[in-house]
Amino acid sequence: RKEVEQDPGPFNVPEGATVAFNCTYSNSASQSFFWYRQDCRKEPKLLMSVYSSGNEDGRFTAQLNRASQYISLLIRDSKLSDSATYLCVGRETSYDKVIFGPGTSLSVIP
Amino acid sequence: GAGVSQSPSNKVTEKGKDVELRCDPISGHTALYWYRQRLGQGLEFLIYFQGNSAPDKSGLPSDRFSAERTGESVSTLTIQRTQQEDSAVYLCASSPRRTGLGNTIYFGEGSWLTVV
Repeated sequence: RKEVEQDPGPFNVPEGATVAFNCTYSNSASQSFFWYRQDCRKEPKLLMSVYSSGNEDGRFTAQLNRASQYISLLIRDSKLSDSATYLCVGRETSYDKVIFGPGTSLSVIP
Repeated sequence: GAGVSQSPSNKVTEKGKDVELRCDPISGHTALYWYRQRLGQGLEFLIYFQGNSAPDKSGLPSDRFSAERTGESVSTLTIQRTQQEDSAVYLCASSPRRTGLGNTIYFGEGSWLTVV
């Protein structure tokens, strides 16, 4: 079983839609979580950290459920520019090992 | 520099040749990671350096792959006797010493390797 698993995707949604991505992790040693965004043929870039209490950054909301080992990302009012692959990332606090999920592809359609 | 710097940005090599890829992390970052990403695929962890600790080499796919890092500075990833399946983008990332839960990693633009 992979340490970080994500929705297989791809997600094709119309502009303005709300879309949610899910991620589960198997390594309980993972303590820090992030969502990264990767555009085609570009390097991954940090979208947002995920805090235990949940956090919001504009149209993006991240949630963490440690009991269920589950992370989510909600995008509201989707824009064409949101089209990308979204990567769920877990980081072990004790050893700094960083594991990337396989990514979920999002296409926002006019 | 301000960000993670990788070179070369693009490399075309003949099957069987050796290649060396270089990564210059963000100044002061003690952790350095190498990942491989084949076209249309996810990131594969290769190796991780943290300060002067022994590196985590658990992701290196074969003994043709090796990496070195001098202290907390530049790292080189070497692929010997390249094969066509080595064609991918090789991404380097660095991270500051952990001082809190929010520290994250920053990527370079990658070295695109094509083996013909």
